Amino acid sequence: SAVISQKPSRDICQRGTSLTIQCQVDSQVTMMFWYRQQPGQSLTLIATANQGSEATYESGFVIDKFPISRPNLTFSTLTVSNLSPEDSSIYLCSVEGYTFGSGTRLTVV
Amino acid sequence: KNQVEQSPQSLIILEGKNCTLQCNYTVSPFSNLRWYKQDTGRGPVSLTIMTFSENTKSNGRYTATLDADTKQSSLHITASQLSDSASYICVVQADSWGKLQFGAGTQVVVTP
Repeated sequence: SAVISQKPSRDICQRGTSLTIQCQVDSQVTMMFWYRQQPGQSLTLIATANQGSEATYESGFVIDKFPISRPNLTFSTLTVSNLSPEDSSIYLCSVEGYTFGSGTRLTVV
Repeated sequence: KNQVEQSPQSLIILEGKNCTLQCNYTVSPFSNLRWYKQDTGRGPVSLTIMTFSENTKSNGRYTATLDADTKQSSLHITASQLSDSASYICVVQADSWGKLQFGAGTQVVVTP
């Protein structure tokens, strides 16, 4: 199965700023997924990112808040914009729905 | 209503003992069911994956069962170790390209 390198592993950010999370995969994959896991909750899909096309966002998530880039078949970024304390969560990328990155723990102060 | 329900929500077991976690789902059609282990602050790691035709699968001390007729699955942990302390998440996929439906997880704490 694919191996995913996700960075950063954790960050503390000031409200109003943005954080960009990167996921690098060791093989080419068609679909990459971004999830949010709020404290004590299970995973919620934010969006699906296909290379060469706009990301598809789930209900409740918008591109202005969570812009995604997918420049090639092995890499994607998720930006969480205009941070507020409610954005404090773990963010995870996944490929083909099976393998997950190690997660990014975001704390907004 | 969540299409994947897990029970119990949490449990505490003594090191060396066995435990069984439950997962009931209503997802349809059904493609596969996965169990993941998620350590605190880390990403989920796949333990087992079962398709419609499989009714049991093992991964070391972890054994998963699936009854596709009753839409129930269980994860049995044998001879628990302290490193088994984690959240265990049941995930069901409706078809090969379908979205994953996540259970809320069972938090397992293994005590010495």
